[in-house]
Order: sequence, then structure tokens, then C-alpha cells
Amino acid sequence: EAGVTQFPSHSVIEKGQTVTLRCDPISGHDNLYWYRRVMGKEIKFLLHFVKESKQDESGMPNNRFLAERTGGTYSTLKVQPAELEDSGVYFCASSRDRWDTLHFGNGTRLTVT
Amino acid sequence: DAKTTQPPSMDCAEGRAANLPCNHSTISGNEYVYWYRQIHSQGPQYIIHGLKNNETNEMASLIITEDRKSSTLILPHATLRDTAVYYCIVSLGSLGNQGGKLIFGQGTELSVKP
Repeated sequence: EAGVTQFPSHSVIEKGQTVTLRCDPISGHDNLYWYRRVMGKEIKFLLHFVKESKQDESGMPNNRFLAERTGGTYSTLKVQPAELEDSGVYFCASSRDRWDTLHFGNGTRLTVT
Repeated sequence: DAKTTQPPSMDCAEGRAANLPCNHSTISGNEYVYWYRQIHSQGPQYIIHGLKNNETNEMASLIITEDRKSSTLILPHATLRDTAVYYCIVSLGSLGNQGGKLIFGQGTELSVKP
């Protein structure tokens, strides 16, 4: 089966611009998660979708971040406007059931200059 | 904050067993111990998990102490491709409604050397 796919693999934008990251989970996986690692810090949970519904968005840093999963398939994470501290690697993961082990994508490396 | 403590780095000779320790002294009775690893430029990869009993799969073995306050991940014959950061995570897993919300610590950077 195809793994979790993330687009783009790298993105370089200027402060104040908007960026949209995309995640395609493994087919049939209802649970989709976003995580990120900012410079020098641990990988942190951002939010969790079950199908198209947000189950837990307690890790979202502020209202500049908007995650969507229309139709319960792929998900997007939009950062608007981007700030320097948003630089890091954004990971998406999926699982069939919420207690299954997670399958991670290779991440999107975001650089805000 | 992460509920586990791991050494920041370890070296291992290729072909030898790599034993990665993890302390989780505050683990509760229904929390599982999970191990993931992150190879450079890739996303985290699941390795193994356990509750009380020792576990083995095609990738590794997990040894959990009887009091469950610590565990050891064993890669029986380390190869250069096992060079990665290894994360020990405690989570309610299937017994909790927050499965998938993993709390990563700094992990152990394992370097397998020829």
C-alpha cells in the first residue's frame, strides 16, 4: 500500500506570506494527525482528525494555523501569515483506528525568511 | 512534557546488538510503552510496543522491567541503516481515547559504526 504522502517536501516563503501544506493519508485511514518539529525542539502534536471532524486540536499554536480535511480524505494545513518561528518540519500521520500505530509521512520542511 | 528519559546518544558497532534504555518511572498501569525511530529526512517509524510482557517482532525486541519503570529496546544485529533517533513514548494506546497523540521527547541518537 502507498504510504502517507506530503506535499511539498520543502517550502521557502517570506514572513507574512501564506503557505498551504497537503497530506494524503493511507487509503482507508480515518484518523489523520499533524505534528511538527520546530528548530531545536521535540516533535509536537498539533491536531487529530477523525474523518472530516477535528477530534483534538489542542496542539495548534495559534489562529494563524488552519487545518481542514474536507470529505475526510486528504488534509491541508494553512499558515497565514507565516512567522519566522513557524519554520520547521511538519509531519502528517494516519491510522485506521485511533489506537493503531501511526504511519508518518516524510514531512514538509518549511523555512520562513 | 515527555514522561520518559533516554540517553541523548549511543554508539554501536555494526553487527552487534544495540540496547537502548528508557526510564518511565511515572508510567501508569494502563499506559503502553511505544518505540518509534526517525531516520534522517524521514518521518518517525513505528518499531514496537508493549504493556507488561516482553515483545519481539521482525525489527526488534522490547524488554520491560517487572515494575514497568524502565524498558530496553534491543536491535539484535544493528546495521548502518539503523542509525537514527529512537524515541521511547508512553501512551494510553488502545485503552485511551487519545491514541495517536504521542508525546515525543528528545530521544536517543544511535550511531551504528562499521
